[in-house]
Amino acid sequence: DTGVSQNPRHKITKRGQNVTFRCDPISEHNRLYWYRQTLGQGPEFLTYFQNEAQLEKSRLLSDRFSAERPKGSFSTLEIQRTEQGDSAMYLCASRSNRGKAGNTIYFGEGSWLTVV
Amino acid sequence: DQQVKQNSPSLSVQEGRISILNCDYTNSMFDYFLWYKKYPAEGPTFLISISSIKDKNEDGRFTVFLNKSAKHLSLHIVPSQPGDSAVYFCAASEGSSNTGKLIFGQGTTLQVKP
Repeated sequence: DTGVSQNPRHKITKRGQNVTFRCDPISEHNRLYWYRQTLGQGPEFLTYFQNEAQLEKSRLLSDRFSAERPKGSFSTLEIQRTEQGDSAMYLCASRSNRGKAGNTIYFGEGSWLTVV
Repeated sequence: DQQVKQNSPSLSVQEGRISILNCDYTNSMFDYFLWYKKYPAEGPTFLISISSIKDKNEDGRFTVFLNKSAKHLSLHIVPSQPGDSAVYFCAASEGSSNTGKLIFGQGTTLQVKP
């Protein structure tokens, strides 16, 4: 399977705990994105990496959220001191930087977070 | 500030008929538009896209139309099949920003009845 891979697919955690999600993008895609989706809404942009550099962060990304892409391949999204409002699907996506193929972003299956 | 809007939360059509999903945008800097399909508990799947230099793009049963003057695009599915039942998201990106990040609409739930 050469698509975007995310794990865990589901996570239930108690309020105040830390959680970490991992994303493995499509091989050779140098751009990687994190989005968040809540019920009834479209995905909302959180942050973007080009290779290992984090180039943009949304205002949605509070200081409890941190994302890394240390070697320009996989990425992690950590949420510290989780709150019930963090319950959502966290989507990772990747994109090529080349020509016409570079215009399309491909999403993983998402990681569901439920904070109880 | 909702830059991409899908004003119809849901649409129901009969199998074999045409499904038309609509999307409006406000940012005139958007120059690339995409449609994604999403099943529950899965990530969005890319369907079809269109550049602002075109007004139509077709791929099998799916056609996207772009009306730049009206800042409107639509997705036509002909003929509709029960397997098309899903949530459809319209998304747009601004080429000049170089990030390629997408701004999504709220989605339209399509139900195709057998």
